[in-house]
Amino acid sequence: QITLKESGPTLVKPTQTLTLTCTFSGFSLSTSGVGVGWIRQPPGAALEWLALIYWDDDERYSPSLKSRLTITKDTSKNQVVLTMTNMDPVDTATYYCAHLSSVILVDDYYYYYMNIWGKGTTVTVSS
Amino acid sequence: SYELTQPPSVSVSPGQTASITCSGDKLGHKYVCWYQQRPGQSPMLVIYQDTKRPSGIPERFSGSNSGNTATLTISGTQAMDEADYYCQAWDSSTAVFGTGTKLTVL
Repeated sequence: QITLKESGPTLVKPTQTLTLTCTFSGFSLSTSGVGVGWIRQPPGAALEWLALIYWDDDERYSPSLKSRLTITKDTSKNQVVLTMTNMDPVDTATYYCAHLSSVILVDDYYYYYMNIWGKGTTVTVSS
Repeated sequence: SYELTQPPSVSVSPGQTASITCSGDKLGHKYVCWYQQRPGQSPMLVIYQDTKRPSGIPERFSGSNSGNTATLTISGTQAMDEADYYCQAWDSSTAVFGTGTKLTVL
């Protein structure tokens, strides 16, 4: 059974750096075709994808937030860490991590989908 | 940047069919996922690769994708289907979510 749990500070001050940890079980991030992603949702608003890291260490970032984000993985600890710099009140949101599974298409191309999500962690940015 | 547009709200009577659309440029050339998010809960995958249902998702959920529009169809809608629904696709190896649709069952 795959589970993911987000952890980190509930309150950060403007300009500070946010560090969130996704601790997972039931899979290994060294297995081919697997990934872990981060998604956030401001109060009353839509989902916004932030970043993801794949089994082969490939990293992808939201173009609009790329300069502020870093995603890393620790396979031995079954953790993925997301850092976001220069936090602002507009970054107040629930932050989710999700497991990505995949289907191998023609030409060995992987199609990924977010099939298991954590419960999320709420982060408020305020002085 | 790539955008996916959904109607803000859709209403349906219990037992009827609900259709939620997701529009994007040449969306039919991409694969689409659909996520259900009940109030206070995390999103849950209900459709992936346009038409496939994960295990445990009822058969009343189906998907299609052609041209510029993907559609999530819920047949025989039940009260428990009342939720927000989001489409998602990949563009240049980055994930894009739709604007979200609130489905009301009344």
